[in-house]
Amino acid sequence: QSVLPQPPSASGTPGQRVIISCSGGSSNIGRSHVYWYQKLPGTAPKLLFDRNNKRPSGVPDRFSGSKSDTSASLIIAGVRPEDEADYYCATWDDNLSGVAFGGGTKLTVL
Amino acid sequence: QDLLVQSGSELRKPGASVKVSCQASGFQFSNYPIYWMRQAPGQGLEYLGWINTHTGNPTNAQDFTGRFVFSLDSSVGTTFLQINGLRAEDTAMYYCARVTDSGFYGPAFDVWGQGTMVTVSS
Repeated sequence: QSVLPQPPSASGTPGQRVIISCSGGSSNIGRSHVYWYQKLPGTAPKLLFDRNNKRPSGVPDRFSGSKSDTSASLIIAGVRPEDEADYYCATWDDNLSGVAFGGGTKLTVL
Repeated sequence: QDLLVQSGSELRKPGASVKVSCQASGFQFSNYPIYWMRQAPGQGLEYLGWINTHTGNPTNAQDFTGRFVFSLDSSVGTTFLQINGLRAEDTAMYYCARVTDSGFYGPAFDVWGQGTMVTVSS
């Protein structure tokens, strides 16, 4: 069981706004930056944005993140079919003295 | 272009060892700690640990001590993950990744290796 629970699945129709949540606590999200990764089958995870919400080259601007207290969200503004993938949140956890990954959310674009 | 290139797929029997390599190119190897993760079939990402590429000091994740050993060869810009006493549940895709800002701001992994599939089967 992940220390950062995520919903196992999410869905949306093309153009819809989709939000994926990541829950944590004071030892992780409450005190550290949260990062989001897109994982397509057969490829390595891809970082979607840095701590300043700056997106690496090639990441569309419809991806953004937000954080409030001990939870974080990935926001996809206007989801597209090519966004179908697994999405993982990640942060540092003081109790683990290491990286914690969310359990992952499988996004389906209907 | 900044790249991490991993060694090829491996098949081992239970109890054996495997050593996976991760070679950096396009950037100064010693400036970026390298982290290791894995993903078992149908499962999520797991953090295994990391190595300080400047000092060679390794740090294992709490659940991956003992059998998992991190090392490096700075002369060729390569880090290694060795797994001893392999078990069937170690079957997974193993990834190395570079962390930005030396990890000071958390796990921002901006460059990943392509992955190495390790299969443990008798």
